[in-house]
Amino acid sequence: DQQVKQNSPSLSVQEGRISILNCDYTNSMFDYFLWYKKYPAEGPTFLISISSIKDKNEDGRFTVFLNKSAKHLSLHIVPSQPGDSAVYFCAARPAGFQKLVFGTGTRLLVSP
Amino acid sequence: GAGVSQSPRYKVAKRGQDVALRCDPISGHVSLFWYQQALGQGPEFLTYFQNEAQLDKSGLPSDRFFAERPEGSVSTLKIQRTQQEDSAVYLCASSLGAFLNTEAFFGQGTRLTVV
Repeated sequence: DQQVKQNSPSLSVQEGRISILNCDYTNSMFDYFLWYKKYPAEGPTFLISISSIKDKNEDGRFTVFLNKSAKHLSLHIVPSQPGDSAVYFCAARPAGFQKLVFGTGTRLLVSP
Repeated sequence: GAGVSQSPRYKVAKRGQDVALRCDPISGHVSLFWYQQALGQGPEFLTYFQNEAQLDKSGLPSDRFFAERPEGSVSTLKIQRTQQEDSAVYLCASSLGAFLNTEAFFGQGTRLTVV
């Protein structure tokens, strides 16, 4: 039972354009959402997070949007850069627990 | 060190062998997590420590898996009688606070291959 789903295994974008990565979840008890970026042979690196009481959080080129009614989360990267090429994981925390439930990841390729 | 350090980076074990994976968290970090990442999947939660207390071990897949953090810093994940399905990358993460509203910092992982 995959509680956090990233339905697009890969995404290709041109440099300078917007990258939109999507994530859907099924558990309405998630209260905190995070995005991690992972390069090959490295551990995931925290990117940006959002609490369930908000619908948007922005940090530089990265913006996360949360639509609780649709149980949908998205990460926007504007403008995309070749160095953004990595696997992006969406993760969610069940309320009252100190653990994260991860999606399966989306591989982003930003071409020059 | 500056980040979370895991050792060994790679481990090949014969089926039935016991293995021990080490995690050195960032100094002063209260929370420590272990995750298992199978090929093509996202990390899956195994267990959580707050200082030396193991507060959640609900993700450990069987009683062959055991984790400890006796002094509230270094942690060891032990897998007894390894099986092929244990092959995965084992990730350790630590965070400063006791509550996961701050980001957790991950190590590079230990890739375990059971042959």
